[in-house]
Amino acid sequence: SQQGEEDPQALSIQEGENATMNCSYKTSINNLQWYRQNSGRGLVHLILIRSNEREKHSGRLRVTLDTSKKSSSLLITASRAADTASYFCATDRGAGNMLTFGGGTRLMVKP
Amino acid sequence: NAGVTQTPKFRVLKTGQSMTLLCAQDMNHEYMYWYRQDPGMGLRLIHYSVGEGTTAKGEVPDGYNVSRLKKQNFLLGLESAAPSQTSVYFCASSRDGSGIRELFFGEGSRLTVL
Repeated sequence: SQQGEEDPQALSIQEGENATMNCSYKTSINNLQWYRQNSGRGLVHLILIRSNEREKHSGRLRVTLDTSKKSSSLLITASRAADTASYFCATDRGAGNMLTFGGGTRLMVKP
Repeated sequence: NAGVTQTPKFRVLKTGQSMTLLCAQDMNHEYMYWYRQDPGMGLRLIHYSVGEGTTAKGEVPDGYNVSRLKKQNFLLGLESAAPSQTSVYFCASSRDGSGIRELFFGEGSRLTVL
């Protein structure tokens, strides 16, 4: 079963708007990662947030983590058409466990 | 610096045929993984390896075998392909399995079993 579940499954916005994707998980984690997948391509690591962190920024990306609610959100500000992709969260429960990926959010940014 | 390379990129098989997918990484990573991606299912781990000569089962290992004879290569084999194995297969690698694991992915191998 999937450890991470993304919400929404699909999101369509206009260029310049902000996009927010959410990830919920079931068990305690060591860290949570977000990956991006362009159509027909492999996944690319975007950002990682550790379990003792609440917020992290990288360029136009902002990730939050609420361990009490077992949830994370990825915010992409001032979206661009090139941000059109699927975004996956992956939970890492630490040594001895493998990363578990959610089903992904398909983001479409219309020019 | 190629990163993670998968071959072949596309393959069509008939039910019962066998094939091998090859994954090669040039980052000297210890850990390597094979995932399959199906619509609405995200990525599911098939097998993984924590070092040369070692392999372990993931979430969906049935019908697949793997080998890691060299540190840089991780092979995924289908002994007798079934239509349920139609999927996109991704290989990934990471520096190690402890601490912070960032996975580096290949571009995928699209397999169709008729």
